[in-house]
Amino acid sequence: AQSVTQPDIHITVSEGASLELRCNYSYGATPYLFWYVQSPGQGLQLLLKYFSGDTLVQGIKGFEAEFKRSQSSFNLRKPSVHWSDAAEYFCAVGRRDTGTASKLTFGTGTRLQVTL
Amino acid sequence: GAGVSQSPSNKVTEKGKDVELRCDPISGHTALYWYRQSLGQGLEFLIYFQGNSAPDKSGLPSDRFSAERTGGSVSTLTIQRTQQEDSAVYLCASSRDYTDTQYFGPGTRLTVL
Repeated sequence: AQSVTQPDIHITVSEGASLELRCNYSYGATPYLFWYVQSPGQGLQLLLKYFSGDTLVQGIKGFEAEFKRSQSSFNLRKPSVHWSDAAEYFCAVGRRDTGTASKLTFGTGTRLQVTL
Repeated sequence: GAGVSQSPSNKVTEKGKDVELRCDPISGHTALYWYRQSLGQGLEFLIYFQGNSAPDKSGLPSDRFSAERTGGSVSTLTIQRTQQEDSAVYLCASSRDYTDTQYFGPGTRLTVL
């Protein structure tokens, strides 16, 4: 079964600083990969996804992520964080072996705090 | 266009009561998913619908949990004889088909007293 690890439970960065949130997955093949963001009291919003092709993917709000097969990682980055980016970030894996992206497996999330 | 909607947004119930949670997917989305988000367990998959059938019910935690989908649209998640450990946020998502990106609703926060 697939699994996702987000090793950082809580990260604090200053506004304007760069950000990298880590995500490692365990899966027998190349999975579908996603990053979602959840603001307090809100549902999950898709930031970006990787299905195939270019391993550097661009998302909304200036985020990007890079799929590294050799490291089983899909880290999320942003060059300059804004105070409005404070939220919880979830990495997720979808299965590819059955030809579906159903049944996402989520990491435990990283809570981002932004200081002014 | 309209996103995934869920009702109620909050539900407080007494232990032992039955509850129904509703999900309205994005129009035209054939796949629908239920997840549960709780402090101790994080985000867990519950069940997945393709049309009105549920090919994957593997995440339903007990036989007190059931779900149905009618007309390939609205879905209802029913929890019978609620227990305190059922307290969580129940999230619904939909996608155009089972290979596409899942879009999430705002969730229903269930509190069992």
